[in-house]
Amino acid sequence: DTGVSQNPRHKITKRGQNVTFRCDPISEHNRLYWYRQTLGQGPEFLTYFQNEAQLEKSRLLSDRFSAERPKGSFSTLEIQRTEQGDSAMYLCASSPPWSPTYEQYFGPGTRLTVT
Amino acid sequence: KNQVEQSPQSLIILEGKNCTLQCNYTVSPFSNLRWYKQDTGRGPVSLTIMTFSENTKSNGRYTATLDADTKQSSLHITASQLSDSASYICVVNYGQNFVFGPGTRLSVLP
Repeated sequence: DTGVSQNPRHKITKRGQNVTFRCDPISEHNRLYWYRQTLGQGPEFLTYFQNEAQLEKSRLLSDRFSAERPKGSFSTLEIQRTEQGDSAMYLCASSPPWSPTYEQYFGPGTRLTVT
Repeated sequence: KNQVEQSPQSLIILEGKNCTLQCNYTVSPFSNLRWYKQDTGRGPVSLTIMTFSENTKSNGRYTATLDADTKQSSLHITASQLSDSASYICVVNYGQNFVFGPGTRLSVLP
């Protein structure tokens, strides 16, 4: 399967714990996006990488959230001191450099439940 | 404020029937508009993309229209199938920024 992959698919954690999610984009896709999606809503933009550079961060990305893409390939999203309001689906998408319309290919998401 | 609104919020139809979903946006400047299909528990999958100059785009039983003057788009689904049950999300982008609508939840019943 050469699509975007995300791990884990599901994560249940207790409030206050730290969690880390991983996203592996499609090979040769230089752009990578993280979104958060709550039930019944569309995805909300969190952050965007072009290669290893984090070019944009949403105000939704509080100090407890950090994302990295150290080698311009896979990316991690870490949430520290999780809160119940962090419960959501976290989606990753990648986009190839040759797409003038920034076509995004989404992964299956990581469902986070904070108890 | 850049916003995308969709209606209806949810829709139930019988298998074989047609339906139309609506999208209104206030995003400016406009680059293009996409419709995505998102199955429950999965990531969105692109159905169509339209630029400013395009009025209609088809993908099988899905036909999207765009009126850039009124900033409205619609997605028409013909001869619905059970597998069409999903959320349909309208996305407008300007440059490298994307604004997602809340989606319309479609349920197709046998």
